[in-house]
This record gives sequence, structure tokens and C-alpha cells, in this order.
Amino acid sequence: GNSVTQMEGPVTLSEEAFLTINCTYTATGYPSLFWYVQYPGEGLQLLLKATKADDKGSNKGFEATYRKETTSFHLEKGSVQVSDSAVYFCALSGILTGGGNKLTFGTGTQLKVEL
Amino acid sequence: NAGVTQTPKFQVLKTGQSMTLQCAQDMNHEYMSWYRQDPGMGLRLIHYSVGAGITDQGEVPNGYNVSRSTTEDFPLRLLSAAPSQTSVYFCASRPGRSATQYFGPGTRLLVL
Repeated sequence: GNSVTQMEGPVTLSEEAFLTINCTYTATGYPSLFWYVQYPGEGLQLLLKATKADDKGSNKGFEATYRKETTSFHLEKGSVQVSDSAVYFCALSGILTGGGNKLTFGTGTQLKVEL
Repeated sequence: NAGVTQTPKFQVLKTGQSMTLQCAQDMNHEYMSWYRQDPGMGLRLIHYSVGAGITDQGEVPNGYNVSRSTTEDFPLRLLSAAPSQTSVYFCASRPGRSATQYFGPGTRLLVL
């Protein structure tokens, strides 16, 4: 079955540091890949996505490239801010037999950015 | 658009009680899903619906029922709550031609 593995947290960085959160996946076919962000006390928000190999998703300074050869979708940001403190989830979209789609999530990586 | 809304935000139940978690979306999305979020486990699919009148089980459906009488609403029913159902529950929806799901703010449930 499909699975997503992302790096363990928590990750603590100083403001303006470079961020990488690793994500690798196992899936059949050609899934779409996503990064969702969850701020404290809130629901999940879509951060960025990529739907095919070599696509780069980007939003709010975050980027991730769909690498089929390494089955990876690592999240990066060049200069983090305190407001980026949140939990980040990598996910892939697979098709269900009933016709819907299911997001398979990683366990989440907590990011804490300090001044 | 309000997007995906969920009520209540927080609920405490005693073992054996029943309750319904409400979910509504105003985006005319065909697909709706319920996930539960547990520490260290990411989110897991409970039930989903591909349209009004059509529902199916996800990976952790035991102890939960759903129905979809309208496009907008997708309630999740706990028939007899158990402590193992203590979790945060998220409802999500997506349009037919997109894999992107949009999540509600969640319901935090504590079963004593």
C-alpha cells in the first residue's frame, strides 16, 4: 500500500535559518504529492502541491520538487520566520476503489522557530 | 464562502454515549471525507463519500457511521463512544476533478 515517511521532529531553528523537512513515499502509479501545514489549534491548510514528476510546488517562500527517481518531496524554505512555527505534513493522494481519493499522511514534523 | 465548517469544536463524552459530529461545505464539492488525527500517526481515513447517497469505508471505520443526504452535509456518528475514539476529527472536501482536499478546523473529542 501507499505510505509516507517524513523526518522526525521537533525541529528547532533560529529565525532566518534554512529549512529542509525530508519526505519520501511509496506508492503505485503516479500520485499527487502535498504539503499541509497545521498551525497551533487550527485545522490543516494546503501549503503546496505537485501533480507530476519534476513539478515544483511553491507558496509563501516554501518549495518542494516531485522527484520520482528518489520518490521524494522534500520541503525547503530559504529563511524561516517565527510565524512559520507549525506542524508540517507530507501527503500523497491515492485512488480508492469506491472512486474517491484518499490522502495518506506522514506523521508530521513540528517546526519551532526562535528569535 | 465559509469553506468546510465543523461543529462542535470540542466535546467530552462518557463511554457508551452517542453523538454526531457535524460537517458542512458550501463549495459544492462532490467528495467529502472524515479523518482522525492521533499523535505520531498522522491522519487516517474513517469514511468517505463520492456524492449524495454514496458512502464507503476508509481504513478505520469501526465504531463510526456516516450518511450523505445532501451535497453540503456529511455527519459522522459515534454509536457508542469508547476511550479509543479520543482524537481530533477532521472533515475534508474536494471537487470532482482535483486531488486537493480542503479541511475543516477540526473537532476535539475526549471520551472518558
